[in-house]
Parts: sequence; C-alpha cells; structure tokens
Amino acid sequence: DSGVTQTPKHLITATGQRVTLRCSPRSGDLSVYWYQQSLDQGLQFLIQYYNGEERAKGNILERFSAQQFPDLHSELNLSSLELGDSALYFCASSVGAQVPTSGANVLTFGAGSRLTVL
Amino acid sequence: AQKITQTQPGMFVQEKEAVTLDCTYDTSDQSYGLFWYKQPSSGEMIFLIYQGSYDEQNATEGRYSLNFQKARKSANLVISASQLGDSAMYFCAMREANAGGTSYGKLTFGQGTILTVHP
Repeated sequence: DSGVTQTPKHLITATGQRVTLRCSPRSGDLSVYWYQQSLDQGLQFLIQYYNGEERAKGNILERFSAQQFPDLHSELNLSSLELGDSALYFCASSVGAQVPTSGANVLTFGAGSRLTVL
Repeated sequence: AQKITQTQPGMFVQEKEAVTLDCTYDTSDQSYGLFWYKQPSSGEMIFLIYQGSYDEQNATEGRYSLNFQKARKSANLVISASQLGDSAMYFCAMREANAGGTSYGKLTFGQGTILTVHP
C-alpha cells in the first residue's frame, strides 16, 4: 500500500457521461498530481495542485477539471466523455511543490482508476 | 522541451542474470532529476531509484543501480540477479523545471520497456 488512495478502482460508463475520480494523498504530502495512461499516449501529466492551489497544468482537456480540497484530497472531473478517454488515471502525491529540480521529491502513486467509456 | 526516450519496447532476461534498460534524455537544463518506476501487470506505479544531475556517484538501491552518463545524457537502469517478480513495465522519468529554473515537481515519462524474466 503506497499510502495514496484512489477511488473507484474501476469505472465503466457511456459516452457523453460525467465521472469523478477521487484521490487521497499520502499523509503529510501537500502536492497532488494527476496522470493519464493510455496505450497510444503513454503516461501524460494532466495537472498538479499544492495545498489547494493549482501549480502546473499539462495536457488536460477543457472537458476535464480538478480541484484540491482543504483536507488535501483531490477530485478529477471528466465530462462529455468520449471513447478516447478510456484510460488508467493515476493520482500521485509528494511533500513539496516548488523543489530543486535535481532534488528527489519522489512522487508516490496510487493504484489508479481504470475508466472504460463504452 | 525535455524529452525521455526508451528505445527498447521489450527485453528478455534469464532468471538470475543482469539486465540493462536504456534511457536517454534531452534537456538544456543543468539541474534535473531522473527517476525509474516499475509497473507490474497489476497496474500500480512503484518508485525504484532516483539520480540527481549533480550527484557524482551512480545511485544504487538493492538490486537496482542507475548507470548515469551525463555527457551522453543517458540514465540506464541495471537490475542484477533478475527474479521472476521483476517482470513488469519499466518507466524512466525526468523532473521538469519550470520557467523560473526550479521545479513544481512533476515528472515527464518515457514510453516504457516491458521486461520479461524467463525461469
């Protein structure tokens, strides 16, 4: 158990629907990162939050949004779902937000939420 | 933009043998961090080893070592005494710097190498 909790583990839904993925970071970690893993795109960074504030944005579609709450858990909202959104969505957490680039600040990943859009 | 390249889609190794997984990176930054993660068939991402760009010695963690060749921009993972449980996808990743020269911590990943360990 990595200490990062993601729910649900599996989700099957239809095109056009909306889903919410939830992540609880490891105790003491203030940063949360969302990644999407698909066969054709590999592991893609979506967005990062630190202590409730957005810190970095990657290849996140406008149909997707995220937030981090005061208790530090985070939610990734995916709307108007398309077949191509089927993927494994990872949440990761780390202690810091702005760190020396060569520093460790290891990202600890959750087990992922596997989304299937039919 | 920084880029990570893993040129070996798949690798095979005999149990108890050593194997090297290749990773090259492209960056104009002087300060960066390099990471290896393992993803077994169950799907979770497991951190293995880290190397900072200013570290003079190659990182080691148990049976894992990182062959860091800065001039060649390579950070190959060496797994010694392979075990059946080492069969998994392995990802090389780099810490990205933001515009200010520090980092918000996010990682950029390569495409991965599938390692299969034969008994």
